[in-house]
Amino acid sequence: GNSVTQMEGPVTLSEEAFLTINCTYTATGYPSLFWYVQYPGEGLQLLLKATKADDKGSNKGFEATYRKETTSFHLEKGSVQVSDSAVYFCAQSSNYKLTFGKGTLLTVNP
Amino acid sequence: DVKVTQSSRYLVKRTGEKVFLECVQDMDHENMFWYRQDPGLGLRLIYFSYDVKMKEKGDIPEGYSVSREKKERFSLILESASTNQTSMYLCASSADRGLSPLHFGNGTRLTVT
Repeated sequence: GNSVTQMEGPVTLSEEAFLTINCTYTATGYPSLFWYVQYPGEGLQLLLKATKADDKGSNKGFEATYRKETTSFHLEKGSVQVSDSAVYFCAQSSNYKLTFGKGTLLTVNP
Repeated sequence: DVKVTQSSRYLVKRTGEKVFLECVQDMDHENMFWYRQDPGLGLRLIYFSYDVKMKEKGDIPEGYSVSREKKERFSLILESASTNQTSMYLCASSADRGLSPLHFGNGTRLTVT
């Protein structure tokens, strides 16, 4: 079945460090791919998305590229801030449903 | 701005009680979803609905039911609450089936004792 696997956390970084959170998926067909972010005490909100192979989604300095050959959608940011501390979820949309990974807790220290 | 409102932030219920979790969206979205979020398990889909009076089972529907009498409201019902249903419940809505983003409420933390 369809699934999403993302790197387990927690991830702890210092401010201005480089961030990578790995995400791979299994799916029949060609799903749309998403990264959602959940700040403390809040629901999830969309961070970025890509709908076809080689698309790059970007927002707030975060980027992810849809790689069909490696079935991956890794999240990157060149210089993280304390305000980026949150839980990040990778997700895929197929069969009209969204399937989420287990989430990765990111803590950024000043 | 888009808004999904869940009626309670925290709930404490006893085993065996019937529990209603309410969710309202103000975006005229056709599609609504209920997820539960548990540490180490991420989000799991319980039920979803693509139209009024329509419902579909998600990945973990056992022990739950739903009601969608009006387009803006989607209720999750625990017929007889059990301790393993202690969790964070998240409601979401979307404008179309799969490509548009989900808009989430802030969640209801349910504790069953």
